[in-house]
Amino acid sequence: AQTVTQSQPEMSVQEAETVTLSCTYDTSESDYYLFWYKQPPSRQMILVIRQEAYKQQNATENRFSVNFQKAAKSFSLKISDSQLGDAAMYFCAYRFAGTASKLTFGTGTRLQVTL
Amino acid sequence: DGGITQSPKYLFRKEGQNVTLSCEQNLNHDAMYWYRQDPGQGLRLIYYSQIVNDFQKGDIAEGYSVSREKKESFPLTVTSAQKNPTAFYLCASSRNSGTTNTIYFGEGSWLTVV
Repeated sequence: AQTVTQSQPEMSVQEAETVTLSCTYDTSESDYYLFWYKQPPSRQMILVIRQEAYKQQNATENRFSVNFQKAAKSFSLKISDSQLGDAAMYFCAYRFAGTASKLTFGTGTRLQVTL
Repeated sequence: DGGITQSPKYLFRKEGQNVTLSCEQNLNHDAMYWYRQDPGQGLRLIYYSQIVNDFQKGDIAEGYSVSREKKESFPLTVTSAQKNPTAFYLCASSRNSGTTNTIYFGEGSWLTVV
């Protein structure tokens, strides 16, 4: 069974600084997708970034980028130029690339952004 | 607007009652999912459905039931057999295959037992 581990329950970053959230996963599959979702206080799950396992290039979305290390099964999220609106729970998630496979989540990291 | 609509946003259930949470999507997605989130925790899969008239149990299906009679709809019934139903429930959907198989979420429903 696939598992996703987020070892940092809480992180804090100052506004305009950079922070990295860690995620590791375990799978025997070679073709899969990895995601970072953001959950603000409204509880809406918002997709931040996704990575296809077959792509060596790390995904980027504006201030968000990932460091995908397939051999180490590591998938960290870097947030640059942090903003107050980035404060939220961040969940790492794994999905096998097969048909309609489920999404497996980590337990989340709560990010605080301070002035 | 395309999206996933969950209703009601807030629901109160008395002990021993069954309640049904609605989930509708107009994204033409084949697959739909129900997740449960408890305070301070991640999401756990209750049920999922790949196609109409078919669904599979997730990790915590006991005390829940679903149906998938239409592609757009995937209602979740929380039965009286679910001993601790107070939680936040999220419905999601996705395409079954292809490069664009990201899972998208509705806004969620809060269920409280009174």
